[in-house]
Amino acid sequence: GIQVEQSPPDLILQEGANSTLRCNFSDSVNNLQWFHQNPWGQLINLFYIPSGTKQNGRLSATTVATERYSLLYISSSQTTDSGVYFCAVTGAQKLVFGQGTRLTINP
Amino acid sequence: DGGITQSPKYLFRKEGQNVTLSCEQNLNHDAMYWYRQDPGQGLRLIYYSQIVNDFQKGDIAEGYSVSREKKESFPLTVTSAQKNPTAFYLCASSGGAGHGELFFGEGSRLTVL
Repeated sequence: GIQVEQSPPDLILQEGANSTLRCNFSDSVNNLQWFHQNPWGQLINLFYIPSGTKQNGRLSATTVATERYSLLYISSSQTTDSGVYFCAVTGAQKLVFGQGTRLTINP
Repeated sequence: DGGITQSPKYLFRKEGQNVTLSCEQNLNHDAMYWYRQDPGQGLRLIYYSQIVNDFQKGDIAEGYSVSREKKESFPLTVTSAQKNPTAFYLCASSGGAGHGELFFGEGSRLTVL
């Protein structure tokens, strides 16, 4: 089945810094989503981005489907950005998740 | 408000007991899913359903059962056959059988004593 790898596994930054999270996938995909899991465990939808570039405030994402990767950019990080960021892709009719990047923003 | 409601949020169970987790959505989505998350890990698919009265096993279906009698509801039963049931369980739904954008409930945390 399709494999999803996220990097880095852990990232610790100071408030105000910028960060780039990467998601590589092993096969062509129909859909790709980025999620933020908050400290209470809830998964918040960030982007639904099978291809192209989208921006939402301080966050933006780019998916290059032909090269099988997606990037999530977070600018001017805030402590509330802390948590785990998951990339998920659709292979054969089901969404497959990466292992996540744990982001810690220190004040 | 439209969304996905999971209950209970926290559940304790003795070994050997079955337990059923509820998932209800009012988004008019066709597809619903159950995922399991262990500490520090990603999400693994247990079961999914693309239409009423039909469902398929995911990657870790052993020890679990589901039903889809109504479009809005997709309950998950954790049976006594599940060897290590303590985990965080997440229900999700999407508008398309081919996986439109996925939306999640708040999760149910099951602890087996």
